[in-house]
Amino acid sequence: AQSVSQHNHHVILSEAASLELGCNYSYGGTVNLFWYVQYPGQHLQLLLKYFSGDPLVKGIKGFEAEFIKSKFSFNLRKPSVQWSDTAEYFCAVNPSSGNTPLVFGKGTRLSVIA
Amino acid sequence: DGGITQSPKYLFRKEGQNVTLSCEQNLNHDAMYWYRQDPGQGLRLIYYSQIVNDFQKGDIAEGYSVSREKKESFPLTVTSAQKNPTAFYLCASEASGRSDTQYFGPGTRLTVL
Repeated sequence: AQSVSQHNHHVILSEAASLELGCNYSYGGTVNLFWYVQYPGQHLQLLLKYFSGDPLVKGIKGFEAEFIKSKFSFNLRKPSVQWSDTAEYFCAVNPSSGNTPLVFGKGTRLSVIA
Repeated sequence: DGGITQSPKYLFRKEGQNVTLSCEQNLNHDAMYWYRQDPGQGLRLIYYSQIVNDFQKGDIAEGYSVSREKKESFPLTVTSAQKNPTAFYLCASEASGRSDTQYFGPGTRLTVL
């Protein structure tokens, strides 16, 4: 069965610092990859997704993620975080073929301090 | 205003009682999902349905039941057999059930006393 690992449980950054959140998955075939974000008191929402093509994916609010197939990774990045980026971030994956549901990582809580 | 509604936002029940959580969507999506979110555990799939009158167990289906009699509704019953029911429950829908974007409701926080 596939699994998703998010190595950082809680990340604390100062405003304007650069962000990289790790996500690794275990599945040998072709996959779809997602990052979802849950801002305090808000619905979980899609940040960005990768299905195929350019492995560098740009999402909302200045976030991007790079799919590195050889490393089974899909790390999330942002060059300069803002206080409003404080949230919990979830990586998710499922096989490209078939109708297998998403598997989510355990999440990374990001706290941005002024 | 399209979206997913879950009610109620907070729910309290006594141990041993069954409780049903509501999830309604007006997005005309085929697929619907129920997740359980616990601190440090991420989202774990309870049940999902890709079409009306059909549903499948997720990773942690024991102690839960669902129905999908209408496209827009996917209620979740937490039964007395669920050993640790206190949690935050999230419902989501997806247009096709084929790796499209999932849209999430606001969640229901269930506390069993």
